Amino acid sequence: LAKTTQPISMDSYEGQEVNITCSHNNIATNDYITWYQQFPSQGPRFIIQGYKTKVTNEVASLFIPADRKSSTLSLPRVSLSDTAVYYCLVGDFGNEKLTFGTGTRLTIIP
Amino acid sequence: NAGVTQTPKFQVLKTGQSMTLQCAQDMNHEYMSWYRQDPGMGLRLIHYSVGAGITDQGEVPNGYNVSRSTTEDFPLRLLSAAPSQTSVYFCASSSAPTGQGGGYTFGSGTRLTVV
Repeated sequence: LAKTTQPISMDSYEGQEVNITCSHNNIATNDYITWYQQFPSQGPRFIIQGYKTKVTNEVASLFIPADRKSSTLSLPRVSLSDTAVYYCLVGDFGNEKLTFGTGTRLTIIP
Repeated sequence: NAGVTQTPKFQVLKTGQSMTLQCAQDMNHEYMSWYRQDPGMGLRLIHYSVGAGITDQGEVPNGYNVSRSTTEDFPLRLLSAAPSQTSVYFCASSSAPTGQGGGYTFGSGTRLTVV
């Protein structure tokens, strides 16, 4: 599985747009990029998944450049409730041996 | 619709004891996984299953057994508990393989302490 690298932590103010970038230089042709969110004392929650270009849902957007060696999770107008750890995963189609790194700890400041 | 249910929520074991962590999902999901999460760390995959009767090892399978006799249940058995197995255990399920679906749904976890 392609290894991912994310910032360990980030701070942002309420109402700002937050972008968390994940590097995955060794991503393979069949790999998909998935992001999860985890609050303290809870299991992770699926946010978004993509293969290339841009994916948007009601929670976030995922930007993937043409070379797919990185991806950016964008959270619009964050609130205090977005304080959590965000994990970027890269896994190939049908391979369920998912690897979570240590994630990015996002803290939203009032 | 309860989602993924894990029992118990908390457990204290003595070294050498065995026990089974229960995981049940009512969403008819084919794919199920067990993870452990140590303090300040990410999740590490223990075992996973792509359907009833089919299981495989993850990153840290030693000391754990699984079976998948039904679609709904995926119990994790600790054979002989060790202090190194003190952790929070998460079960997860998905309706589709990676790349085809909406990702995994996780349970609320079992906090296990081995003394």
